[in-house]
Amino acid sequence: SAVISQKPSRDICQRGTSLTIQCQVDSQVTMMFWYRQQPGQSLTLIATANQGSEATYESGFVIDKFPISRPNLTFSTLTVSNMSPEDSSIYLCSVQSRDQQETQYFGPGTRLLVL
Amino acid sequence: QKEVEQDPGPLSVPEGAIVSLNCTYSNSAFQYFMWYRQYSRKGPELLMYTYSSGNKEDGRFTAQVDKSSKYISLFIRDSQPSDSATYLCAMGSSGGYQKVTFGTGTKLQVIP
Repeated sequence: SAVISQKPSRDICQRGTSLTIQCQVDSQVTMMFWYRQQPGQSLTLIATANQGSEATYESGFVIDKFPISRPNLTFSTLTVSNMSPEDSSIYLCSVQSRDQQETQYFGPGTRLLVL
Repeated sequence: QKEVEQDPGPLSVPEGAIVSLNCTYSNSAFQYFMWYRQYSRKGPELLMYTYSSGNKEDGRFTAQVDKSSKYISLFIRDSQPSDSATYLCAMGSSGGYQKVTFGTGTKLQVIP
């Protein structure tokens, strides 16, 4: 299994500002994912980030709002830009399992509250 | 209609009870099925993974898949207070990585 850490674990931000969330993995992985988890809703995939290529965004998510970096095989960042209260959520990064490619390991999440 | 439906609960049971958690799905392309457990303020952790219809057992946990009915279940035997968490079903359409679709999660509370 992979050990994943995220920073910050939580934050309270003002409307209009931006927050960058970091995701660090203890081993090299090809595919990393960013999800949003809102209360009472399922995990929603924001984008898939492969090292060395542009992130692939899901419908409803755009690069200007959620820019992603993937500088190497163990690290990625997600920025939530020009935040509004609707962006309040838990943001999770995950990585693909090497043994079972359909499964993923998740980080602990970043709890974001936008005022 | 959502691709994956899961009763949000909460489900409250006494310690030692058998728990049944269920999901239904509409997409016939789903071929592999997973259950994740998520404790409060933690990320989801993989509990069970299965690729075929039938039962798969791991300790106190049994995952059941009925592709003909598009219905999956997770059974927890001899439930413990430490099983109190939110359980998410998840499924995907083919081998290798494809987009995974998650249920909304069922919150379980096991009362001592």
